Amino acid sequence: QVQLVQSGNEMKKPGASVKVSCKTSGYTFTNYGFSWVRQAPGQGLEWMGWITAYSGNTKYAHNLQDRVTMTTDTSTSTAYMELRSLTSDDTAVYYCARGTYYGSGSYSLDYWGQGTLVTVSS
Amino acid sequence: DIQMTQSPSSLSASAGDRVTITCRASQSISAYLNWYQQHPGKPPLLLVYTASRLQSGVPSRFSGSGSGTEFTLTISSLQPEDFAIYYCQQSYTTPLTFGGGTKVEIK
Repeated sequence: QVQLVQSGNEMKKPGASVKVSCKTSGYTFTNYGFSWVRQAPGQGLEWMGWITAYSGNTKYAHNLQDRVTMTTDTSTSTAYMELRSLTSDDTAVYYCARGTYYGSGSYSLDYWGQGTLVTVSS
Repeated sequence: DIQMTQSPSSLSASAGDRVTITCRASQSISAYLNWYQQHPGKPPLLLVYTASRLQSGVPSRFSGSGSGTEFTLTISSLQPEDFAIYYCQQSYTTPLTFGGGTKVEIK
């Protein structure tokens, strides 16, 4: 079965960086892409960007594009998201989600990792 | 960016009730609309994609409809496990955007 398993929770100081991993199994890694989505405590869902697993092409949300880098490692079927220059506003649960295209632009996030809590505090 | 607005933001209902949640887009998104369910402390779960297509394994009491700018998610007979937060999300263009969520609570 399809599984996305994320790395553990992180505690960071303001100005630091964090790198979250998302190890996948149960499907052909290079046939899909990933979106990363974050959720601040008690808040809704915010899309951060996506990456195609095969080519590594990326698209980032406007407000994060200067601080975020998404990558994949096809040899280990793992996706990564690095966020730099952290502030308290980045405290959130970060999710990786597999993206599936259905044709003609229809795209959904059909499998999700369990989430990684990143806490930014001095 | 396309703004997604859900209504209501919360509702109280009883098991067995029929529940309808509405999602409106700030511009036409054709049928590129997905619905997710989220329980506390859990990741979202895809329920419906492309406005009306039920994700594999999702109970048939869930259904989606709509196109253009107005969409609905209907739960035909609410079950105890359906008390959760529901989000719509458009995939018409990037940035992908989500609605603010609808919390379905027990009456």
